[in-house]
Amino acid sequence: QKEVEQDPGPLSVPEGAIVSLNCTYSNSAFQYFMWYRQYSRKGPELLMYTYSSGNKEDGRFTAQVDKSSKYISLFIRDSQPSDSATYLCAMTPSGTYKYIFGTGTRLKVLA
Amino acid sequence: DGGITQSPKYLFRKEGQNVTLSCEQNLNHDAMYWYRQDPGQGLRLIYYSQIVNDFQKGDIAEGYSVSREKKESFPLTVTSAQKNPTAFYLCASSVGRDGQFFGPGTRLTVL
Repeated sequence: QKEVEQDPGPLSVPEGAIVSLNCTYSNSAFQYFMWYRQYSRKGPELLMYTYSSGNKEDGRFTAQVDKSSKYISLFIRDSQPSDSATYLCAMTPSGTYKYIFGTGTRLKVLA
Repeated sequence: DGGITQSPKYLFRKEGQNVTLSCEQNLNHDAMYWYRQDPGQGLRLIYYSQIVNDFQKGDIAEGYSVSREKKESFPLTVTSAQKNPTAFYLCASSVGRDGQFFGPGTRLTVL
């Protein structure tokens, strides 16, 4: 079993929809959680960063962490065709600089 | 402009050759990383370095080597011992655990 599981998709939604992207993990030591967006043939771009449990909002993006369920989510409101990309979750425990990545979910927002 | 640069963008290697991928950052970050990305497999950690003159193996270090002589630079050499080097290589840097910043990547192809 991988430490971080992420549905590879593709996930297709109409423009304007609310998108929910999720990751589950097995290591209870993870404390720092991140979401990245990666366009085709480009490097990943850091979207959201959260520490421990709770919610964080930035514009159309909301990140949620539920440590009791070992489950993190990224919500995208009013999705746009420009949001079409692969979304990667990542996490790391305290005491290390080693990040563990999910395999990524491909999202397609249809105009 | 602060950021991470990788060169070259595309690299072709013949069988038996060693090649070196460049990674430079001007973000004053202490930690630097090299990842390999293959389709459907997410990011796999090759090497990482938390400080100058020190680095650690990641999950797939065999056939690769690195050096960290300067804070700004973390070159990766793909040796002839790496039997399947065709992939997209990503360099990243970070400060603390607030997430990593990635370069644009180098696409390596074996001829």
